[in-house]
Amino acid sequence: RKEVEQDPGPFNVPEGATVAFNCTYSNSASQSFFWYRQDCRKEPKLLMSVYSSGNEDGRFTAQLNRASQYISLLIRDSKLSDSATYLCVVNIGTGTYKYIFGTGTRLKVLA
Amino acid sequence: DARVTQTPRHKVTEMGQEVTMRCQPILGHNTVFWYRQTMMQGLELLAYFRNRAPLDDSGMPKDRFSAEMPDATLATLKIQPSEPRDSAVYFCASGSGGSGGGDTQYFGPGTRLTVL
Repeated sequence: RKEVEQDPGPFNVPEGATVAFNCTYSNSASQSFFWYRQDCRKEPKLLMSVYSSGNEDGRFTAQLNRASQYISLLIRDSKLSDSATYLCVVNIGTGTYKYIFGTGTRLKVLA
Repeated sequence: DARVTQTPRHKVTEMGQEVTMRCQPILGHNTVFWYRQTMMQGLELLAYFRNRAPLDDSGMPKDRFSAEMPDATLATLKIQPSEPRDSAVYFCASGSGGSGGGDTQYFGPGTRLTVL
C-alpha cells in the first residue's frame, strides 16, 4: 500500500460546481497534513494546511479524519482558474521533516 | 518577494556525463529538500537537510547521486554518471523548520533534466 494515495482523476466539473477530493495515508503517526496546488509545468505551491478541527479559506475547506486516516479538500463555486493538480502532503511523524507527496488529483473546470 | 532559486532551469546532457544542479534557499530558512518528479512516480523525496546537516538521503541512489550544502545559501545535487532514467524535473524546496516538523515548504521552479 502506498503511504499516501490519491485518485488521479481527472475530475472534469463545470464552473460553479462543488468538487471534493480525498487522500488516504497509511502511517497513523502522521502529524501534519497539507494540500498543495501544482499548475502544469510549474512548482507546487501551498494551498492550505489541514488542522485537526478542519479549516476553511474562502471557497476551500480541508478536513482531517484521523480514525479513517484520510484528508479531504472541498472546493465550492469552482472557477476556471482552479484547474490544476492538487497534491496531498503528509508529514510522517512528530519532529521529522520528511514529507510524502501523493501523486496528485487533476482537476479541470470547464466553461 | 523571497523565493527559492534553482539553476539551471533546463539541462540536456548525454548519458555518462556529470550533472550539477544548484539551489539557493530562502534566506533564513534552515531546512532544504531535494525532490524528483516524473509522470510515473510523482514527487519523490531524495534528500533533506536541516541547518546544513543531511538528515535523510534514503531516497537517493547512493552510487550516483550526492547532495551537499556547502553553505547556508547553496545546496547542490550531483549525478555522476547520469543515465536516461534520471530524466525528470528536480525541485528544491526550503522551509523554516519549526521544531516539531510539519512546516510549509517553498519550492523553486525546478531543473528539467533530460539525459540522452
